[in-house]
Amino acid sequence: KNEVEQSPQNLTAQEGEFITINCSYSVGISALHWLQQHPGGGIVSLFMLSSGKKKHGRLIATINIQEKHSSLHITASHPRDSAVYICAVRSSQHSGGSNYKLTFGKGTLLTVNP
Amino acid sequence: DVKVTQSSRYLVKRTGEKVFLECVQDMDHENMFWYRQDPGLGLRLIYFSYDVKMKEKGDIPEGYSVSREKKERFSLILESASTNQTSMYLCASSTSVIQFFGPGTRLTVL
Repeated sequence: KNEVEQSPQNLTAQEGEFITINCSYSVGISALHWLQQHPGGGIVSLFMLSSGKKKHGRLIATINIQEKHSSLHITASHPRDSAVYICAVRSSQHSGGSNYKLTFGKGTLLTVNP
Repeated sequence: DVKVTQSSRYLVKRTGEKVFLECVQDMDHENMFWYRQDPGLGLRLIYFSYDVKMKEKGDIPEGYSVSREKKERFSLILESASTNQTSMYLCASSTSVIQFFGPGTRLTVL
């Protein structure tokens, strides 16, 4: 079983819809990251969370440490939001240089149609 | 802006060739990482380095080696390329908090 599970794997939405992508993890973590990868493009970091909720524009990320679960929400989705969204966790069990390692989910491919 | 650059966007090599993938970052980060990304498998860590000349194996180091002689440069080496090493290779560097990714190198081994 992967340490980081994302759902759904694929998501198709109409422009304007509210989007939710989920991430569950099985290890103790010190931080959780949400990343975005456009087709053919590099990966950019959207959020880093260790508790609570963060908001940036139309993107909202939440985390529930007790339930080992995080969600990424996109409000008023737009075709330019089409990308792969990746959840990654930094384990609290590592030490030294290993403390900076991330474990990644397999990603959620989001397609927003006009 | 942090910049992480990789030496090639696309690379085609033959089985058995020695392949060098170069990564350079300009933000004086101590930590650097090499990943491969494959459909259905996500990002998997090959090697990482947390200081010059220091390296640690990631989850899938077999068939790869790395070199970090200078802080800004982290090289991934395929000693004898094989077809199952056809993949997208991504380099990243990080502060203690955020990882910054390069654009990736799509390597095809024929």
